[in-house]
Amino acid sequence: DAGITQSPRHKVTETGTPVTLRCHQTENHRYMYWYRQDPGHGLRLIHYSYGVKDTDKGEVSDGYSVSRSKTEDFLLTLESATSSQTSVYFCATVSGGAREAFFGQGTRLTVV
Amino acid sequence: GESVGLHLPTLSVQEGDNSIINCAYSNSASDYFIWYKQESGKGPQFIIDIRSNMDKRQGQRVTVLLNKTVKHLSLQIAATQPGDSAVYFCAENVGNQGGKLIFGQGTELSVKP
Repeated sequence: DAGITQSPRHKVTETGTPVTLRCHQTENHRYMYWYRQDPGHGLRLIHYSYGVKDTDKGEVSDGYSVSRSKTEDFLLTLESATSSQTSVYFCATVSGGAREAFFGQGTRLTVV
Repeated sequence: GESVGLHLPTLSVQEGDNSIINCAYSNSASDYFIWYKQESGKGPQFIIDIRSNMDKRQGQRVTVLLNKTVKHLSLQIAATQPGDSAVYFCAENVGNQGGKLIFGQGTELSVKP
């Protein structure tokens, strides 16, 4: 798992509340990614980072924001959670110069 | 751990048989392809990759075949074992940032002892 820790592992939250998911890596990988996994859609890219303070949008970025203030941490924030954001969220990392992506164990988020 | 219940194509094989999992990809510009294995409650795990300038690559018990003409990728698993039971995803990548992946929907492999 390339030293990737996601927290929390499970969360239930109410519609309209803010939620932050954390991805922490110990491998000093340059690139970090947030994906969501839903039935019928596989994994889809939400946001990614190519360095500290450098982030960009992925395929399904609406309703999400990210921040990366340190190499090891990549935060995903749902400013106002909606039921459509109920999903399993995966963090991934890639070291600079390589192409193999390593994934964390995932966070199951339920918005009620 | 985390997993997602998916209504996926399912492949059921007998232990010891060979398995072939197929995938169609979408982007003709993709130059890097990867197969991932996802066990229940876990994140995707890298199995094998192939670059677009190749048509075949072999690993330990696994072989990936790439047909760019029809945009088709396959994963062959030799002597399938119960521990191979999982969901298998193909993913494609374009450019030099390996984590920007487009995933297929996955195939569930079930191995009968």
